Amino acid sequence: GQQLNQSPQSMFIQEGEDVSMNCTSSSIFNTWLWYKQDPGEGPVLLIALYKAGELTSNGRLTAQFGITRKDSFLNISASIPSDVGIYFCAGRVQGAQKLVFGQGTRLTINP
Amino acid sequence: DGGITQSPKYLFRKEGQNVTLSCEQNLNHDAMYWYRQDPGQGLRLIYYSQIVNDFQKGDIAEGYSVSREKKESFPLTVTSAQKNPTAFYLCASSPGLAGINNEQFFGPGTRLTVL
Repeated sequence: GQQLNQSPQSMFIQEGEDVSMNCTSSSIFNTWLWYKQDPGEGPVLLIALYKAGELTSNGRLTAQFGITRKDSFLNISASIPSDVGIYFCAGRVQGAQKLVFGQGTRLTINP
Repeated sequence: DGGITQSPKYLFRKEGQNVTLSCEQNLNHDAMYWYRQDPGQGLRLIYYSQIVNDFQKGDIAEGYSVSREKKESFPLTVTSAQKNPTAFYLCASSPGLAGINNEQFFGPGTRLTVL
C-alpha cells in the first residue's frame, strides 16, 4: 500500500524552542492533514491543507502543502509543555476514499 | 455536545472469545471508520462505511467484522480469527468520504487486551 515517511520519529527539545517535522510520499496527494494525539486518547485534527503551496496557521502551529504535492511540513513555534504528544500526518490521493497515515513524531519537552 | 463516543475505554478478553467495540456519533456524519493502532506505528484502516447498510474492507480487515444498521452507530467485532488482537482501536467519522471539509474526527479509543 501507499506509504508516508514521517520524520523525525522522535524529538527531545527545551521549552520555548521551535519544532519542525515533515512527511513525504511517493504519490501525489490532494489533501494533507496534521493530527495530534495525547497518550491514551484519539487524534485531534490540527490543520487541513488542500492546495499545493498552501500555508495555514492555527495559533503557534503552521503547516504547508509542498509545491510538489508529495510532502508537507508542520512547524510549532515557542513550544510549551502541553505540546507534548505524538503528531501524525495523513494524506489522501486524488480520487481515493482512504487516508494514509505517517508513523508519527513523538515530541518530548524538557522544562 | 456533538462528538464520537467509544465504549468501553479498556476491555479485557480471553483468547478465543469474540468481542464487540462500540462507536456512536451524533455529528450526523455519513462516513465512519475503524482503525487499529499499535505502539510506534501509524493508524491502519480496518473497515469503513460510507452509508447505512454499506461497508468496505480496509487494509487489515481479516479477523474483524462490522455492521452499519444505523447512521450513528458502527460497531466493530474482533473475532477469534484475529491473530494478534491486542491493540488500541480508534473509531472516526466524517461528513462524507472525500474532498474538502470531509475530514475525519476521532473518538477517544478503546484499548483491547487479550489475555
